[in-house]
Amino acid sequence: DTGVSQDPRHKITKRGQNVTFRCDPISEHNRLYWYRQTLGQGPEFLTYFQNEAQLEKSRLLSDRFSAERPKGSFSTLEIQRTEQGDSAMYLCASSLAGTGASFNEKLFFGSGTQLSVL
Amino acid sequence: GNSVTQMEGPVTLSEEAFLTINCTYTATGYPSLFWYVQYPGEGLQLLLKATKADDKGSNKGFEATYRKETTSFHLEKGSVQVSDSAVYFCVISGGYNKLIFGAGTRLAVHP
Repeated sequence: DTGVSQDPRHKITKRGQNVTFRCDPISEHNRLYWYRQTLGQGPEFLTYFQNEAQLEKSRLLSDRFSAERPKGSFSTLEIQRTEQGDSAMYLCASSLAGTGASFNEKLFFGSGTQLSVL
Repeated sequence: GNSVTQMEGPVTLSEEAFLTINCTYTATGYPSLFWYVQYPGEGLQLLLKATKADDKGSNKGFEATYRKETTSFHLEKGSVQVSDSAVYFCVISGGYNKLIFGAGTRLAVHP
């Protein structure tokens, strides 16, 4: 168990450029999440996958954002035509899906990708 | 939708002092409640959780009790250490498939 890894750790880009981030979850975990965290705030949910299926997307995820999880393993998050407002820490997390009417499973977070859009 | 409100930081304490970080929530249904912690330079990690009313979550000397009548989940520790310095997030489940985080409270413990 090497934990959740994210690449790159830091990304600096110019406004209007496209960027792609990668997340490698813990190998046996079937759920994968993307969150965004801005300075002084808690993480905000963006989207999640159960295996390879993307089951929910937040309203925060505009058309410029796309996420994939081919074969239910690693995931990528792409931002097209970046804007300065996209500057944030992008966090990936994974978990084993639990049961029950309420979400109670433990999420394992990566260290994040810090995006700066100039 | 579900949400949490936690006390603003930073909270600054001397070693061995008593810690309380307040958290209240609004929710429909029967959410689970969590505290996550982010140590300097590390990723977020689960500190403790409670899945139903009156449950007490505990870990590493920290405790929090799920209080439905006051819609609260306050984090407490009897004697903090310098190594507890971190950002603490109160978290609520949003339905059955995601977590909703509070804004976080930074704790600084001095020797």
